[in-house]
Amino acid sequence: TQLLEQSPQFLSIQEGENLTVYCNSSSVFSSLQWYRQEPGEGPVLLVTVVTGGEVKKLKRLTFQFGDARKDSSLHITAAQPGDTGLYLCAGDNFGNEKLTFGTGTRLTIIP
Amino acid sequence: NAGVTQTPKFRILKIGQSMTLQCTQDMNHNYMYWYRQDPGMGLKLIYYSVGAGITDKGEVPNGYNVSRSTTEDFPLRLELAAPSQTSVYFCASSYAGAQDNEKLFFGSGTQLSVL
Repeated sequence: TQLLEQSPQFLSIQEGENLTVYCNSSSVFSSLQWYRQEPGEGPVLLVTVVTGGEVKKLKRLTFQFGDARKDSSLHITAAQPGDTGLYLCAGDNFGNEKLTFGTGTRLTIIP
Repeated sequence: NAGVTQTPKFRILKIGQSMTLQCTQDMNHNYMYWYRQDPGMGLKLIYYSVGAGITDKGEVPNGYNVSRSTTEDFPLRLELAAPSQTSVYFCASSYAGAQDNEKLFFGSGTQLSVL
């Protein structure tokens, strides 16, 4: 079973600050997805990265896939209360029909 | 389109009782999944299906059963509820599998407590 460790597990910062959360594994993944989950709802896909070293931007969110395809990061610039939620990374292990989900980072942005 | 619909939203069971969590999707997706999410944790795969009539075990299948008689429906059955099954259950669907970088569409979850 491939394990995806996310850090930090919890993060609470003031509105306007920048932050980075990480998704790490000892295994290589063919692609990684990032989801955000709000209380009482299911996760919603933010982005998929498929190429080693790839960087994707979604407004104030920047996602990067590691060169070796074993890790990924999510950087948020000027965090806003609407960014609050549980951020989950999920990896596809080369031809596997199902995703492996990470342990999650619970982010709270304080107004 | 309603997307992925789960019922019920909340349920309390006594130890040893049984129940079925319902999941239906109207997107004509081939793949369907059941996950459980324990407090403060990520998602663990219980069972999944790549099409009607086909099911397979995930990471944590013990104590659960599934069936997939139609493309739309993928019910999850708990036969003898145990406190360890207290969790939030999510159903998800996708048109193709993870190998095709397909996104998952999730339902809004069923919160189950076993007392």
